[in-house]
Amino acid sequence: QKEVEQDPGPLSVPEGAIVSLNCTYSNSAFQYFMWYRQYSRKGPELLMYTYSSGNKEDGRFTAQVDKSSKYISLFIRDSQPSDSATYLCAMSIPNTGNQFYFGTGTSLTVIP
Amino acid sequence: KAGVTQTPRYLIKTRGQQVTLSCSPISGHRSVSWYQQTPGQGLQFLFEYFSETQRNKGNFPGRFSGRQFSNSRSEMNVSTLELGDSALYLCASSRGTSVDTQYFGPGTRLTVL
Repeated sequence: QKEVEQDPGPLSVPEGAIVSLNCTYSNSAFQYFMWYRQYSRKGPELLMYTYSSGNKEDGRFTAQVDKSSKYISLFIRDSQPSDSATYLCAMSIPNTGNQFYFGTGTSLTVIP
Repeated sequence: KAGVTQTPRYLIKTRGQQVTLSCSPISGHRSVSWYQQTPGQGLQFLFEYFSETQRNKGNFPGRFSGRQFSNSRSEMNVSTLELGDSALYLCASSRGTSVDTQYFGPGTRLTVL
């Protein structure tokens, strides 16, 4: 069993829809949770970063962490065609350097 | 500020050969991490170098090795290439202080025939 599970999709939504992306994990030691966006033929870019449980909002993006359920989510409001990309969740354990554990990514297409 | 650069962008090798990939981090960043990305496994951590020392290592065989130079540039070497080594190899740089934002390069696409 992989430590981080993510539904690969693909997910296709109309422009303006609310998108929900999710990951589950098995290691309760994870404390830092991140979402990256990866466009085709590019490296991943950091979207959101949260520590422990709770919500964090940045513009149209909201990240949620539920440590009791070992479940994290990324919500995208008013989705745009430019949001079409692969979204990767990542997590890490404090004081272990920069070893990140990634989900396999969810492919999202926003249809104009 | 210039981003993370990786060279070469594309490589084609045959089984049994070896390959060296290069990564130049963002200026001032001392940590370089390497990842292997494949469709089935996603991003898998190879190793991290900080101030010329390997600080973390993932679960890859010894055929995968790396090093970091005094200017923080890093190289990754894969010896005795196998078909399964075909992947996108990504390098990420950060300041290296506790958990930090990692900035990824565009990757090197390695194809092993």
